[in-house]
Amino acid sequence: SQTIHQWPATLVQPVGSPLSLECTVEGTSNPNLYWYRQAAGRGLQLLFYSVGIGQISSEVPQNLSASRPQDRQFILSSKKLLLSDSGFYLCAWCQGAFTEAFFGQGTRLTVV
Amino acid sequence: GQQVMQIPQYQHVQEGEDFTTYCNSSTTLSNIQWYKQRPGGHPVFLIQLVKSGEVKKQKRLTFQFGEAKKNSSLHITATQTTDVGTYFCAGGLTGNQFYFGTGTSLTVIP
Repeated sequence: SQTIHQWPATLVQPVGSPLSLECTVEGTSNPNLYWYRQAAGRGLQLLFYSVGIGQISSEVPQNLSASRPQDRQFILSSKKLLLSDSGFYLCAWCQGAFTEAFFGQGTRLTVV
Repeated sequence: GQQVMQIPQYQHVQEGEDFTTYCNSSTTLSNIQWYKQRPGGHPVFLIQLVKSGEVKKQKRLTFQFGEAKKNSSLHITATQTTDVGTYFCAGGLTGNQFYFGTGTSLTVIP
């Protein structure tokens, strides 16, 4: 069966520090991968999505970036965090368009 | 950019009352999905609608997709405390993007 792993679960980082969140999927190949951010009490904002290795589409221009070095690995990064980067980051995968998305457990990031 | 709005943002109901959340898109959607997120948890898929005017039921939950494929609704009959959470619609566009609505947070008062 397919599983998705996302870590760490919680993270507290100072302003200006770098960020690296990792997401891996098991039990499937060539998934579509997504990064979402959810501010407290708010909806999910699509940040990046990827349909294949090295293919990244950015939805929101900001100081975050994403990479997909392997088929089932999706990484969210920042060189310098801002206070406004705080939030709940969710990785998700689905097997192509029009299929259900499966979410990781999320990373709660607090930038202080 | 693509916007998917939901109303209401918050809803408090007495246990046993019905609940409805509405989802509206600024553009025509290929499909619509619904997810439920429990407090502190991650979204979990409930259902997908693809056809214009489609209606699907899951026990006490009824999902509708509008004729123009720009709006959708989720109706819960006789709410229970286990229904507490935030309900999101997610609109699919051609290609691989899908955009989540702003969510409706449901509180059920016992």
